[in-house]
Amino acid sequence: DSGVTQTPKHLITATGQRVTLRCSPRSGDLSVYWYQQSLDQGLQFLIHYYNGEERAKGNILERFSAQQFPDLHSELNLSSLELGDSALYFCASSVVGASGPSYNEQFFGPGTRLTVL
Amino acid sequence: EDQVTQSPEALRLQEGESSSLNCSYTVSGLRGLFWYRQDPGKGPEFLFTLYSAGEEKEKERLKATLTKKESFLHITAPKPEDSATYLCAVRRTGFQKLVFGTGTRLLVSP
Repeated sequence: DSGVTQTPKHLITATGQRVTLRCSPRSGDLSVYWYQQSLDQGLQFLIHYYNGEERAKGNILERFSAQQFPDLHSELNLSSLELGDSALYFCASSVVGASGPSYNEQFFGPGTRLTVL
Repeated sequence: EDQVTQSPEALRLQEGESSSLNCSYTVSGLRGLFWYRQDPGKGPEFLFTLYSAGEEKEKERLKATLTKKESFLHITAPKPEDSATYLCAVRRTGFQKLVFGTGTRLLVSP
């Protein structure tokens, strides 16, 4: 158990709908990352938040957005869903900015499997 | 652009048959090479971080090594419970995101 939690575990929805995925980082971690894993693309970085602020964006669609709240949990919002958005969505957390050898590792949650029908 | 290539795509071993997985990378300013293990339908589980060429790390039957162009994950006397997909990722200096390879699917038969 990495200490990162994600809900829900599974989500089945229809095209055109909007969903919200939730992530709680490990205790003490200030950074949250979102990744998408599809069969043909592997793990792709979407977005990074540090202590409530957006720090970096990857290949994230305009239909997708995220935020990190004061209690450090994060939500990934996916709207106008398409069949191709079906994938596993992972959240990871890390301690960024702290000193010491372990500040760089990202620890992943169990993921949310999104199926768009 | 940062690139990570893993080989082979899939590997089938008999229990006790040692082997190595390869991760070749291209990154401008390596700030860490990471190995993860992923079981089907689960999140990647962190194994190792390597920072500089010549560095080695070990954990049970696994040993990771790093050169300036590639990393190897050596599996000694594997057991069926070592069956999983092994992912390699790199992080570039100044960036926090990880760039992943597509993984090596390892199957260890008893």
